[in-house]
Amino acid sequence: GQQLNQSPQSMFIQEGEDVSMNCTSSSIFNTWLWYKQDPGEGPVLLIALYKAGELTSNGRLTAQFGITRKDSFLNISASIPSDVGIYFCAARATGRRALTFGSGTRLQVQP
Amino acid sequence: GAVVSQHPSWVICKSGTSVKIECRSLDFQATTMFWYRQFPKQSLMLMATSNEGSKATYEQGVEKDKFLINHASLTLSTLTVTSAHPEDSSFYICSAYPVAGGTEAFFGQGTRLTVV
Repeated sequence: GQQLNQSPQSMFIQEGEDVSMNCTSSSIFNTWLWYKQDPGEGPVLLIALYKAGELTSNGRLTAQFGITRKDSFLNISASIPSDVGIYFCAARATGRRALTFGSGTRLQVQP
Repeated sequence: GAVVSQHPSWVICKSGTSVKIECRSLDFQATTMFWYRQFPKQSLMLMATSNEGSKATYEQGVEKDKFLINHASLTLSTLTVTSAHPEDSSFYICSAYPVAGGTEAFFGQGTRLTVV
């Protein structure tokens, strides 16, 4: 089946540092999404990408849809303590509405 | 913004009993809802696609007779875990796409099921 390989699995950084995480797949997708999940909550959409090569920003967050349509990355600049949480990439294949999720990146920010 | 609400937020039940989880879209209609399961420190895994007025579509390996899904209206889908066992303990999350389109699906806050 379709799988998304997300890395790193976890990160522990100092406040103010930049963060980068990525997802790769052997399959082609037509949509890449990035979500943040806080403990005991559902995921919240951060950024949506719909075109290969697309680079989109949302405040301190920037994400890109890979040219090959098989990967995406998320950057967080100048991290703050409230960035703590689990970040998931998700992707959708042509003809499907359901999402495939990556394994998640657990981010911890030291004040 | 659009809200998807799950009820209950958490539930504890005894082995062998059945538990019903509701997923409601509060301010929009949804012909399609999705049910995901998330084990601790793991990703969300799609269980089934819930279609209003028709049978749900289950992912490979998900027992349709154990996880009963009913999508009786455009704002409500229910997931019933029948004859629950401790290994069914998990975080169940639903999502819904607005009929009107134009956005990604909205996720509920999740339901923590613990089977003892």
